[in-house]
Amino acid sequence: EAGVVQSPRYKIIEKKQPVAFWCNPISGHNTLYWYLQNLGQGPELLIRYENEEAVDDSQLPKDRFSAERLKGVDSTLKIQPAELGDSAVYLCASSLEVDTEAFFGQGTRLTVV
Amino acid sequence: GNSVTQMEGPVTLSEEAFLTINCTYTATGYPSLFWYVQYPGEGLQLLLKATKADDKGSNKGFEATYRKETTSFHLEKGSVQVSDSAVYFCALREAGATNKLIFGTGTLLAVQP
Repeated sequence: EAGVVQSPRYKIIEKKQPVAFWCNPISGHNTLYWYLQNLGQGPELLIRYENEEAVDDSQLPKDRFSAERLKGVDSTLKIQPAELGDSAVYLCASSLEVDTEAFFGQGTRLTVV
Repeated sequence: GNSVTQMEGPVTLSEEAFLTINCTYTATGYPSLFWYVQYPGEGLQLLLKATKADDKGSNKGFEATYRKETTSFHLEKGSVQVSDSAVYFCALREAGATNKLIFGTGTLLAVQP
């Protein structure tokens, strides 16, 4: 069974440019998460979806970050415009239901120059 | 708020040495506790978990016991191998339906032959 797939694996952009990350969760998983992992830190939740509904986006910086999961399957996280401090690894995870094990993708490493 | 504190790394051991990585938590209610492992170039993987006090999670020779009295969930392995070299994250899942995972900062383990 395929795991959580994220793309791209690496992205380098100039500051003030937009960037988007894509995540395809495990088939049948209703819950999808986006996490931010700064260097030397543990992941921090940005947003959680139950199907297509964002049920916890309290940690998402809404001035520049947006996310969508239109059909309740794959999801896109966007930053516009990117800042130097956004350089980090962006992790996507999914779980069957809200209280079951979360499976993580390999992440997208973003470098803003 | 809820938080997880784990020992700083890197932890460098020789093969077959005994491993302990300390983890303590602060939480309201009765969270579930987890250890995740991140091998080089891979995504986070669940290593073991415990959902209530005095539970012992175990997997691949690793063990951790949920100690409510000391609010701890220390990771142990009796004999480490080079292949155990990775970053280990302690995490808690908040009690209730949020399924929000709160991670520690991670501990790098380097096992030398």
